[in-house]
Amino acid sequence: NAGVTQTPKFQVLKTGQSMTLQCAQDMNHNSMYWYRQDPGMGLRLIYYSASEGTTDKGEVPNGYNVSRLNKREFSLRLESAAPSQTSVYFCASSPSQSLTQYFGPGTRLLVL
Amino acid sequence: GESVGLHLPTLSVQEGDNSIINCAYSNSASDYFIWYKQESGKGPQFIIDIRSNMDKRQGQRVTVLLNKTVKHLSLQIAATQPGDSAVYFCAENTNTGNQFYFGTGTSLTVIP
Repeated sequence: NAGVTQTPKFQVLKTGQSMTLQCAQDMNHNSMYWYRQDPGMGLRLIYYSASEGTTDKGEVPNGYNVSRLNKREFSLRLESAAPSQTSVYFCASSPSQSLTQYFGPGTRLLVL
Repeated sequence: GESVGLHLPTLSVQEGDNSIINCAYSNSASDYFIWYKQESGKGPQFIIDIRSNMDKRQGQRVTVLLNKTVKHLSLQIAATQPGDSAVYFCAENTNTGNQFYFGTGTSLTVIP
């Protein structure tokens, strides 16, 4: 099992550009999550999907959209990137909402 | 210990010594806690968890202690090894909540 995979590993964008971060898991987990990690701060939840077909906002959803394409895949879209969105983005999955989350390797995003 | 702050607490220990990493959590309703390890350039990795009906749980070389009275969690690593060098952070969850809240982390450096 590959666990949780994320693409791309690293991306540089100019302000105003759009992009989609991809995440897939092969553990048959119901719940999936997108976090951002900034220096000196803990992981902050952007969006989550408790099950296929549902998505909900987390702590910092502004500027992002998500799609739960199927049970395996959960994508994060930045429609118009801003420098404040420079961060490391982690995708995670769990068997259900309140259980241990398994994280991907992260995507490092730089917005100029 | 961890806190929501501007800098990352650090801990340096000699190889072979025991390490204690602390975490103060915020929500008295939190009933499930996880310790994660994050190596440089990687995603967080599950270490050990504990539910609020317990005050101690042991794993391989790691022990988590929970003091609900003062809302304090600690991670003890026995016979610390160079491979234990990483950032460690705790996460809390409430039974009725749909999110984990993560601390900012403690950076552990093991001196050979």
